[in-house]
Amino acid sequence: GAVVSQHPSWVICKSGTSVKIECRSLDFQATTMFWYRQFPKQSLMLMATSNEGSKATYEQGVEKDKFLINHASLTLSTLTVTSAHPEDSSFYICSARDYLQGEETQYFGPGTRLLVL
Amino acid sequence: QKEVEQNSGPLSVPEGAIASLNCTYSDRGSQSFFWYRQYSGKSPELIMSIYSNGDKEDGRFTAQLNKASQYVSLLIRDSQPSDSATYLCAVNPNGGSQGNLIFGKGTKLSVKP
Repeated sequence: GAVVSQHPSWVICKSGTSVKIECRSLDFQATTMFWYRQFPKQSLMLMATSNEGSKATYEQGVEKDKFLINHASLTLSTLTVTSAHPEDSSFYICSARDYLQGEETQYFGPGTRLLVL
Repeated sequence: QKEVEQNSGPLSVPEGAIASLNCTYSDRGSQSFFWYRQYSGKSPELIMSIYSNGDKEDGRFTAQLNKASQYVSLLIRDSQPSDSATYLCAVNPNGGSQGNLIFGKGTKLSVKP
């Protein structure tokens, strides 16, 4: 099956610093990747849709200047949390779109836990 | 607003029993439906996808779709303790290549030995 990796798996940073998270599709090309955030005991919330070679589409309420997304290649999308604050502490998960037996499917990366002190 | 509803549970079943997980969605035009399993502290893992009315079986898992009732379910036969997890129902309201899934809040399943 399709494999998606994320790096780092967890990160602790000081308030005010920026953190970059990488999402890679390892055995397929993904023109579209998605970034989600999940707070404890809550459901996944879509933050943005990342399209290779074009600007990301952000969901309502997500600050595009705070959560910078770059999708420069067919296998890599990055999410940069700029000037991170404690309220940004969360589980960030990416997914990539692939096609299984002709049908579109999303596969998730293992996630990145961010703790902002 | 497009919504996906699931009973949060917890749903507790004995080992070997059938676990039945249910999901309803609001957008009648939805085309693609998915079940993901999420263990505590981990990211979701795709279990099943279903696109047509009826049943789709894969091993111990059966997905059922009824578009007229806007209802999708997941049956787990011969439940094992390792099946204990939160099961997320996801719907793609746009179908085709749009890919923006809407997730339910998940149903927590506990399989007791």
